[in-house]
Amino acid sequence: SQTIHQWPATLVQPVGSPLSLECTVEGTSNPNLYWYRQAAGRGLQLLFYSVGIGQISSEVPQNLSASRPQDRQFILSSKKLLLSDSGFYLCAWRGQLTGELFFGEGSRLTVL
Amino acid sequence: DQQVKQNSPSLSVQEGRISILNCDYTNSMFDYFLWYKKYPAEGPTFLISISSIKDKNEDGRFTVFLNKSAKHLSLHIVPSQPGDSAVYFCAASGSGGTSYGKLTFGQGTILTVHP
Repeated sequence: SQTIHQWPATLVQPVGSPLSLECTVEGTSNPNLYWYRQAAGRGLQLLFYSVGIGQISSEVPQNLSASRPQDRQFILSSKKLLLSDSGFYLCAWRGQLTGELFFGEGSRLTVL
Repeated sequence: DQQVKQNSPSLSVQEGRISILNCDYTNSMFDYFLWYKKYPAEGPTFLISISSIKDKNEDGRFTVFLNKSAKHLSLHIVPSQPGDSAVYFCAASGSGGTSYGKLTFGQGTILTVHP
Protein backbone atom coordinates (compact mmCIF):
# COMPACT_ATOMS: atom_id res chain seq x y z
CA SER A 1 0.00 0.00 0.00
CA GLN A 2 1.02 3.59 -0.53
CA THR A 3 2.29 5.76 2.30
CA ILE A 4 3.38 9.36 2.50
CA HIS A 5 5.62 10.86 5.13
CA GLN A 6 6.76 14.38 5.78
CA TRP A 7 9.15 15.86 8.30
CA PRO A 8 9.83 17.56 10.54
CA ALA A 9 6.42 17.49 12.23
CA THR A 10 7.00 20.79 14.00
CA LEU A 11 9.49 23.56 13.42
CA VAL A 12 10.11 26.91 15.12
CA GLN A 13 12.38 29.20 13.12
CA PRO A 14 13.47 32.82 13.42
CA VAL A 15 12.64 35.33 10.71
CA GLY A 16 15.31 35.31 8.01
CA SER A 17 16.41 31.71 8.59
CA PRO A 18 16.26 29.03 5.86
CA LEU A 19 13.65 26.28 5.61
CA SER A 20 13.59 22.75 4.30
CA LEU A 21 10.55 20.47 4.59
CA GLU A 22 10.78 17.00 3.10
CA CYS A 23 8.15 14.63 1.82
CA THR A 24 8.52 11.08 0.53
CA VAL A 25 5.99 8.69 -0.94
CA GLU A 26 6.31 4.92 -0.89
CA GLY A 27 4.48 2.17 -2.72
CA THR A 28 3.82 4.01 -5.96
CA SER A 29 5.73 5.17 -9.00
CA ASN A 30 5.59 8.50 -10.81
CA PRO A 31 3.07 10.10 -8.47
CA ASN A 32 1.87 13.65 -8.86
CA LEU A 33 3.04 15.55 -5.77
CA TYR A 34 1.65 18.66 -4.11
CA TRP A 35 2.45 21.16 -1.35
CA TYR A 36 -0.49 22.82 0.38
CA ARG A 37 -0.54 25.29 3.25
CA GLN A 38 -3.19 25.95 5.86
CA ALA A 39 -2.75 29.36 7.46
CA ALA A 40 -4.43 30.02 10.81
CA GLY A 41 -8.22 30.11 10.47
CA ARG A 42 -8.15 29.51 6.75
CA GLY A 43 -8.67 26.69 4.29
CA LEU A 44 -5.96 24.81 2.49
CA GLN A 45 -4.19 26.58 -0.36
CA LEU A 46 -2.19 24.93 -3.13
CA LEU A 47 1.40 26.18 -3.28
CA PHE A 48 3.22 23.87 -5.71
CA TYR A 49 2.67 20.72 -7.69
CA SER A 50 4.93 18.40 -9.64
CA VAL A 51 4.15 15.87 -12.35
CA GLY A 52 7.68 14.46 -12.52
CA ILE A 53 11.31 14.79 -11.51
CA GLY A 54 12.52 18.36 -11.87
CA GLN A 55 9.06 19.60 -12.97
CA ILE A 56 7.61 22.19 -10.59
CA SER A 57 4.61 24.44 -11.05
CA SER A 58 3.93 27.31 -8.67
CA GLU A 59 0.37 28.32 -7.98
CA VAL A 60 0.87 31.48 -5.92
CA PRO A 61 3.68 34.03 -5.76
CA GLN A 62 5.52 33.65 -2.51
CA ASN A 63 8.70 33.40 -0.57
CA LEU A 64 8.95 29.63 -0.97
CA SER A 65 10.29 27.24 -3.58
CA ALA A 66 9.91 23.54 -4.26
CA SER A 67 12.09 20.87 -5.79
CA ARG A 68 11.68 17.24 -6.82
CA PRO A 69 15.11 15.64 -6.96
CA GLN A 70 13.77 12.07 -7.08
CA ASP A 71 10.56 10.44 -8.28
CA ARG A 72 9.08 10.05 -4.80
CA GLN A 73 10.69 12.99 -3.00
CA PHE A 74 9.31 16.52 -2.80
CA ILE A 75 11.03 19.34 -0.90
CA LEU A 76 9.71 22.73 0.17
CA SER A 77 12.34 25.39 0.82
CA SER A 78 12.95 28.99 1.64
CA LYS A 79 16.19 30.98 1.80
CA LYS A 80 14.80 33.53 4.26
CA LEU A 81 11.60 32.94 6.20
CA LEU A 82 9.01 35.65 6.79
CA LEU A 83 6.50 35.86 9.63
CA SER A 84 3.74 35.25 7.08
CA ASP A 85 5.25 31.86 6.21
CA SER A 86 3.92 30.43 9.47
CA GLY A 87 1.32 27.73 8.94
CA PHE A 88 0.56 24.06 8.60
CA TYR A 89 2.22 22.61 5.51
CA LEU A 90 0.85 19.49 3.89
CA CYS A 91 2.37 17.27 1.24
CA ALA A 92 0.02 15.18 -0.88
CA TRP A 93 0.16 12.68 -3.72
CA ARG A 94 -2.19 11.25 -6.27
CA GLY A 95 -1.97 8.56 -8.90
CA GLN A 96 -1.80 9.40 -12.58
CA LEU A 97 -5.38 8.52 -13.37
CA THR A 98 -7.24 9.44 -10.21
CA GLY A 99 -8.52 12.68 -8.76
CA GLU A 100 -8.19 11.99 -5.04
CA LEU A 101 -5.33 13.50 -3.11
CA PHE A 102 -3.80 11.66 -0.16
CA PHE A 103 -2.14 13.85 2.42
CA GLY A 104 0.79 13.41 4.76
CA GLU A 105 0.76 14.12 8.46
CA GLY A 106 1.63 17.79 8.06
CA SER A 107 4.43 20.06 9.31
CA ARG A 108 3.65 22.90 11.69
CA LEU A 109 5.95 25.87 11.01
CA THR A 110 6.11 28.81 13.38
CA VAL A 111 8.24 31.76 12.36
CA LEU A 112 9.15 34.11 15.21
CA ASP B 1 -12.95 35.58 -4.03
CA GLN B 2 -13.90 32.40 -2.26
CA GLN B 3 -14.84 29.89 -4.92
CA VAL B 4 -15.78 27.13 -2.48
CA LYS B 5 -17.79 28.07 0.58
CA GLN B 6 -18.88 26.19 3.64
CA ASN B 7 -21.21 28.63 5.29
CA SER B 8 -21.67 26.72 8.54
CA PRO B 9 -18.55 26.97 10.71
CA SER B 10 -19.89 24.31 13.05
CA LEU B 11 -22.55 21.62 13.40
CA SER B 12 -23.63 19.70 16.48
CA VAL B 13 -25.48 16.38 16.15
CA GLN B 14 -26.66 13.63 18.47
CA GLU B 15 -25.12 10.18 18.07
CA GLY B 16 -27.19 7.99 15.75
CA ARG B 17 -28.77 10.93 13.92
CA ILE B 18 -27.94 12.25 10.48
CA SER B 19 -25.21 14.86 9.93
CA ILE B 20 -25.60 17.06 6.86
CA LEU B 21 -22.66 19.20 5.83
CA ASN B 22 -23.15 21.71 3.03
CA CYS B 23 -20.88 23.30 0.47
CA ASP B 24 -21.45 25.83 -2.33
CA TYR B 25 -19.20 26.70 -5.24
CA THR B 26 -19.14 29.47 -7.78
CA ASN B 27 -16.69 28.33 -10.47
CA SER B 28 -18.52 26.61 -13.34
CA MET B 29 -15.27 24.92 -14.39
CA PHE B 30 -15.32 22.72 -11.28
CA ASP B 31 -16.54 19.26 -12.14
CA TYR B 32 -14.93 17.05 -9.53
CA PHE B 33 -15.74 17.33 -5.84
CA LEU B 34 -14.31 15.75 -2.72
CA TRP B 35 -14.87 15.65 1.01
CA TYR B 36 -12.07 15.37 3.55
CA LYS B 37 -12.06 14.84 7.29
CA LYS B 38 -9.37 16.41 9.44
CA TYR B 39 -8.32 16.03 13.05
CA PRO B 40 -6.19 18.73 14.72
CA ALA B 41 -2.49 18.59 13.85
CA GLU B 42 -3.05 15.85 11.25
CA GLY B 43 -3.35 15.80 7.50
CA PRO B 44 -6.82 15.59 5.91
CA THR B 45 -8.19 12.13 5.24
CA PHE B 46 -10.05 11.52 1.99
CA LEU B 47 -13.67 10.44 2.53
CA ILE B 48 -15.60 10.43 -0.72
CA SER B 49 -15.70 12.10 -4.11
CA ILE B 50 -18.18 12.73 -6.89
CA SER B 51 -17.87 13.60 -10.53
CA SER B 52 -20.23 16.08 -12.15
CA ILE B 53 -21.69 13.33 -14.31
CA LYS B 54 -23.32 11.96 -11.17
CA ASP B 55 -25.67 13.46 -8.63
CA LYS B 56 -25.06 10.96 -5.84
CA ASN B 57 -22.25 8.76 -4.59
CA GLU B 58 -22.45 6.46 -1.60
CA ASP B 59 -19.78 4.76 0.50
CA GLY B 60 -20.95 3.08 3.68
CA ARG B 61 -22.29 5.70 6.07
CA PHE B 62 -21.22 8.55 3.79
CA THR B 63 -23.25 9.87 0.87
CA VAL B 64 -22.41 12.91 -1.23
CA PHE B 65 -25.11 14.69 -3.23
CA LEU B 66 -24.35 17.10 -6.05
CA ASN B 67 -26.81 19.67 -7.43
CA LYS B 68 -25.02 21.17 -10.42
CA SER B 69 -27.70 23.71 -11.27
CA ALA B 70 -27.52 25.12 -7.75
CA LYS B 71 -23.74 24.67 -7.54
CA HIS B 72 -24.26 22.92 -4.24
CA LEU B 73 -23.07 19.70 -2.70
CA SER B 74 -23.71 18.06 0.62
CA LEU B 75 -22.27 15.24 2.68
CA HIS B 76 -24.64 13.04 4.66
CA ILE B 77 -23.34 10.87 7.48
CA VAL B 78 -25.81 8.26 8.73
CA PRO B 79 -25.74 7.23 11.50
CA SER B 80 -23.40 9.76 13.08
CA GLN B 81 -20.86 8.45 15.60
CA PRO B 82 -18.76 10.30 18.19
CA GLY B 83 -15.63 9.31 16.21
CA ASP B 84 -16.96 11.38 13.32
CA SER B 85 -16.24 14.54 15.31
CA ALA B 86 -13.68 16.45 13.26
CA VAL B 87 -13.35 19.29 10.75
CA TYR B 88 -14.85 18.49 7.36
CA PHE B 89 -13.58 20.19 4.22
CA CYS B 90 -15.18 20.15 0.82
CA ALA B 91 -12.92 20.65 -2.16
CA ALA B 92 -13.33 21.07 -5.91
CA SER B 93 -11.24 20.84 -9.04
CA GLY B 94 -11.50 20.48 -12.76
CA SER B 95 -11.17 16.96 -14.08
CA GLY B 96 -8.52 15.26 -16.15
CA GLY B 97 -4.85 15.98 -16.71
CA THR B 98 -3.23 18.38 -14.30
CA SER B 99 -6.58 19.78 -13.17
CA TYR B 100 -6.90 16.83 -10.84
CA GLY B 101 -5.16 17.51 -7.56
CA LYS B 102 -5.35 21.28 -7.90
CA LEU B 103 -8.01 21.48 -5.24
CA THR B 104 -9.82 24.57 -4.05
CA PHE B 105 -10.93 24.02 -0.47
CA GLY B 106 -13.73 25.45 1.59
CA GLN B 107 -13.08 26.89 5.04
CA GLY B 108 -14.23 23.75 6.83
CA THR B 109 -17.10 22.83 9.15
CA ILE B 110 -16.47 21.57 12.67
CA LEU B 111 -18.72 18.58 13.33
CA THR B 112 -19.36 17.53 16.91
CA VAL B 113 -21.28 14.32 17.52
CA HIS B 114 -22.56 14.01 21.08
CA PRO B 115 -23.00 10.58 22.71
